[in-house]
Amino acid sequence: QVQLVQSGAEVKKPGASVKVSCKASGYTFTGYYMHWVRQAPGQGLEWMGWINPNSGGTNYAQKFQGRVTMTRDTSISTAYMELSRLRSDDTAVYYCARRCQWELNGYYYYGMDVWGQGTTVTVSS
Amino acid sequence: AIQMTQSPSSLSASVGDRVTITCRASQGIRNDLGWYQQKPGKAPKLLIYAASSLQSGVPSRFSGSGSGTDFTLTISSLQPEDFATYYCLQDYNSWTFGQGTKVEIK
Repeated sequence: QVQLVQSGAEVKKPGASVKVSCKASGYTFTGYYMHWVRQAPGQGLEWMGWINPNSGGTNYAQKFQGRVTMTRDTSISTAYMELSRLRSDDTAVYYCARRCQWELNGYYYYGMDVWGQGTTVTVSS
Repeated sequence: AIQMTQSPSSLSASVGDRVTITCRASQGIRNDLGWYQQKPGKAPKLLIYAASSLQSGVPSRFSGSGSGTDFTLTISSLQPEDFATYYCLQDYNSWTFGQGTKVEIK
């Protein structure tokens, strides 16, 4: 079955970096963009960016530009999200999510149809 | 950046009630909008795409409508498993979530 399995929880100190992995299975990894979304404790969802696993091209939310790097390893169908210069307010659950698309009346629509289980990142001194 | 404003931020309802959640975009986004359901401790689940198209496997009591700046998610008859938080997400220009609407048991 189609699934995304993320790496385990991380505890980091302020100023450090964290790298979260997302391993895809059950579908062609290079055929679907991968998004990253985070959720701080008790808060809403926040879009961070996407990577095109086929080309490696990326698009980051302005808020994270300069601090986030999304990469992939197609040989093992795995996407990565690295966040640097961590602060306490980066404490959150980080999700990867597959971008799906539909064509309706000649126009393409997008959504996130398969999600990883989430990775908790705690930033604390 | 496009802002998405959901209302209400929370509501209390009973099983069998009809529930409507709204999402307003700060500028026109055609119908490039989806709705997601999230239960505590779980990843979000896609319910609706293209503002009104039901994702495969989602019960027909869920429906979406709207275009431009104003959108609604309707649950026609609330079921016990529908108590959750709902988010809209626009992808017309970059991607932006609404702040969420928590549906609680009355």
